[in-house]
Amino acid sequence: DGGITQSPKYLFRKEGQNVTLSCEQNLNHDAMYWYRQDPGQGLRLIYYSQIVNDFQKGDIAEGYSVSREKKESFPLTVTSAQKNPTAFYLCASSGKSHTGELFFGEGSRLTVL
Amino acid sequence: AQTVTQSQPEMSVQEAETVTLSCTYDTSENNYYLFWYKQPPSRQMILVIRQEAYKQQNATENRFSVNFQKAAKSFSLKISDSQLGDTAMYFCAFMKPHSGYALNFGKGTSLLVTP
Repeated sequence: DGGITQSPKYLFRKEGQNVTLSCEQNLNHDAMYWYRQDPGQGLRLIYYSQIVNDFQKGDIAEGYSVSREKKESFPLTVTSAQKNPTAFYLCASSGKSHTGELFFGEGSRLTVL
Repeated sequence: AQTVTQSQPEMSVQEAETVTLSCTYDTSENNYYLFWYKQPPSRQMILVIRQEAYKQQNATENRFSVNFQKAAKSFSLKISDSQLGDTAMYFCAFMKPHSGYALNFGKGTSLLVTP
């Protein structure tokens, strides 16, 4: 089935460690996005990519990094510079029609101890 | 910057009744898209309904309909004949033109449908 796969679903890390969250899609979508979700805050855009080898900062990019070496993959690294990394992270993609519909993965819950 | 405001953090409705969720937004754009997404306890985001700003007719999807007031920058969601499965977080979203077609989300409304 076509869709977006995020892994791992749950992740625990010690403070000061970098962490990479995986996002893979087989929808042949050009655009991919990373959002962060905190209680009472809605979804906030971290990074997005419209095409391979290109990506743009979103509203809360500080302390995060991404790469887009393949169309199917858009991994997110949460670096030690991110002051409050504990959150739920959602990856999404959209197709060329640009009607705005995003297809979401099931999310990754990161807890920093 | 576009902002999306959902003024109702929590709402409750009885099964089979109708409920309306509010959303307002701020933009200087003339062409844009608006969305309502549903996030059930499984946390999987699901598109409920989409509205194109240049269309005056309000979008409808089965029991879900919107009241789109462009001049007032208001985009409310009406759920008719509420069902227990409608219990979820509901997010209003605005599509940012010229920003990679990313969505700008409100903070959400938690809807509880009771028997």
